[in-house]
Amino acid sequence: EAGVAQSPRYKIIEKRQSVAFWCNPISGHATLYWYQQILGQGPKLLIQFQNNGVVDDSQLPKDRFSAERLKGVDSTLKIQPAKLEDSAVYLCASSPGLAPREQFFGPGTRLTVL
Amino acid sequence: KQEVTQIPAALSVPEGENLVLNCSFTDSAIYNLQWFRQDPGKGLTSLLLIQSSQREQTSGRLNASLDKSSGRSTLYIAASQPGDSATYLCAVSSVTGNQFYFGTGTSLTVIP
Repeated sequence: EAGVAQSPRYKIIEKRQSVAFWCNPISGHATLYWYQQILGQGPKLLIQFQNNGVVDDSQLPKDRFSAERLKGVDSTLKIQPAKLEDSAVYLCASSPGLAPREQFFGPGTRLTVL
Repeated sequence: KQEVTQIPAALSVPEGENLVLNCSFTDSAIYNLQWFRQDPGKGLTSLLLIQSSQREQTSGRLNASLDKSSGRSTLYIAASQPGDSATYLCAVSSVTGNQFYFGTGTSLTVIP
């Protein structure tokens, strides 16, 4: 079974530029999560999708971050414009079913904002 | 809001030693608890998942226990090896919501 795929693996941008991350969850997984992990901290949930709909985006900085999940499968997370404090690893995870179940993570995208 | 704490933040042990990592959480109304391993620059690898109705789970040299009433979980690693060096994270999901809450992790170094 293929795991969660993410791209790119690394991205370096200047502040105020835009960036987008892509995630392809495990086939058939209804729930998809985007997390931000700052160095030395645990992952923080940015947004959670169940199929096409948003379940929780309470910690998503909506003035600069946006996310969508196309046809309940792939997802993109965008930052526009980026700030220095957005430097972090962005992790995508998926889980089967609609209740919180075991999560499976992708390799992450390391973003550096200069 | 659920808060998850992991102690110690860092741990260094000689190879072959048995060790225990701790995870505590403030809201005992959890759906499940999951332990992860994270290698530098990598994503999270799931180690063990404990459902709220379970007391423990085992996989190879790893054993995780759950005591909901006291808000605690422990991850026991037997006969540690240098390859076990990584950061270990626990995450809990609450029955009142859908999201997982993570601790800040324990950085483990096993010295050959």
